Amino acid sequence: AQSVTQLGSHVSVSEGALVLLRCNYSSSVPPYLFWYVQYPNQGLQLLLKYTSAATLVKGINGFEAEFKKSETSFHLTKPSAHMSDAAEYFCAALYSSASKIIFGSGTRLSIRP
Amino acid sequence: GAGVSQTPSNKVTEKGKYVELRCDPISGHTALYWYRQSLGQGPEFLIYFQGTGAADDSGLPNDRFFAVRPEGSVSTLKIQRTERGDSAMYLCASSPTGTGKGAEQFFGPGTRLTVL
Repeated sequence: AQSVTQLGSHVSVSEGALVLLRCNYSSSVPPYLFWYVQYPNQGLQLLLKYTSAATLVKGINGFEAEFKKSETSFHLTKPSAHMSDAAEYFCAALYSSASKIIFGSGTRLSIRP
Repeated sequence: GAGVSQTPSNKVTEKGKYVELRCDPISGHTALYWYRQSLGQGPEFLIYFQGTGAADDSGLPNDRFFAVRPEGSVSTLKIQRTERGDSAMYLCASSPTGTGKGAEQFFGPGTRLTVL
């Protein structure tokens, strides 16, 4: 079955430290992949998306993600965390044969001063 | 321009009642999606409209849930005989074309439904 797995429901890093949020997808055919951010009581905002044009995708707010077909992964990184990065992050996949986005269960990112 | 809007932002109802949740997509977007997000979970797909028709309603959990988009713009998600398990955030999203082209989906702020 098509699915998206996010390892770690909660990640805590110090301000200025590297942020790494993990995402793996299940499929033999690379889908479209997305990272969304959700701030409290707000809707989802797209951070970045992979559509096969480039394996390293740069997004907003200094985030980037690398698509690795051999590992079926699409991990999200940011070199230096900022307090404003504290939010819930969702990895999502769109399989070309489907019409719906499949979301992971989310990772809550906390930033320590 | 205006983004996706959803009304009401919060809805509290009693078990067994009927509720309607409204979504106003971005003007000109032909595709519209409804998702349900339970506490601590990612959004789960409910239904997808392309224009006025429901192109995929495979995510609707049962026949108490129904959605319409009569003029290809505003959509209403209708829930009959609400149950406590229906309590969740209901998210609406729209995109210029359709998901098959990897088009970005723009999300609204959601309607938080609480069934007492």
